[in-house]
Amino acid sequence: AQSVTQLDSHVSVSEGTPVLLRCNYSSSYSPSLFWYVQHPNKGLQLLLKYTSAATLVKGINGFEAEFKKSETSFHLTKPSAHMSDAAEYFCVVSAGGKFYFGSGTKLNVKP
Amino acid sequence: EAGVAQSPRYKIIEKRQSVAFWCNPISGHATLYWYQQILGQGPKLLIQFQNNGVVDDSQLPKDRFSAERLKGVDSTLKIQPAKLEDSAVYLCASSLGGSTQAGANVLTFGAGSRLTVL
Repeated sequence: AQSVTQLDSHVSVSEGTPVLLRCNYSSSYSPSLFWYVQHPNKGLQLLLKYTSAATLVKGINGFEAEFKKSETSFHLTKPSAHMSDAAEYFCVVSAGGKFYFGSGTKLNVKP
Repeated sequence: EAGVAQSPRYKIIEKRQSVAFWCNPISGHATLYWYQQILGQGPKLLIQFQNNGVVDDSQLPKDRFSAERLKGVDSTLKIQPAKLEDSAVYLCASSLGGSTQAGANVLTFGAGSRLTVL
């Protein structure tokens, strides 16, 4: 069975400080993993994806994520937060043509 | 390339009325998904099409929800009659489909259709 757990429902950081959004997954297969971002009143946009190549994945807007099989984690990081990063972030696992979403993490960026 | 198109963006109806949402996926994408996103929650899959066939509709409330994808291109999701708890954003997404294709299992989402049931 596949499942995704986002460990924090809300994260608040100051502008210019690092961002860490945590995601753990469970999968019976070798999964593909994704992070999507959703700005208010917008659809979901792909940030980055892991599909069994390099374990450190770089995405758009300076985000990156590291796949750690031993920890079944796929945490999203960014060295320096920007005000425009304030949004909701979803970790997604894909296996067998299906996609399983985490419950989301709302990122607040303080000036 | 053009993205996933959805309409209408917003709809307000009274309970027990009906509503329909339309989705046009990215050209060439074989797989189409409808998700329901209730405020404060992650998207929940309602139905998945591969071309014009249904792959998964296990979470579709079939007594009131229906969906079709005629000709394997665009799709319509209908709710009749609507209930208060159907208030949500209905997201359409598409992907290439086919496990051997590069990028096949990447979802591209539309902007969503926000439904308010009063």
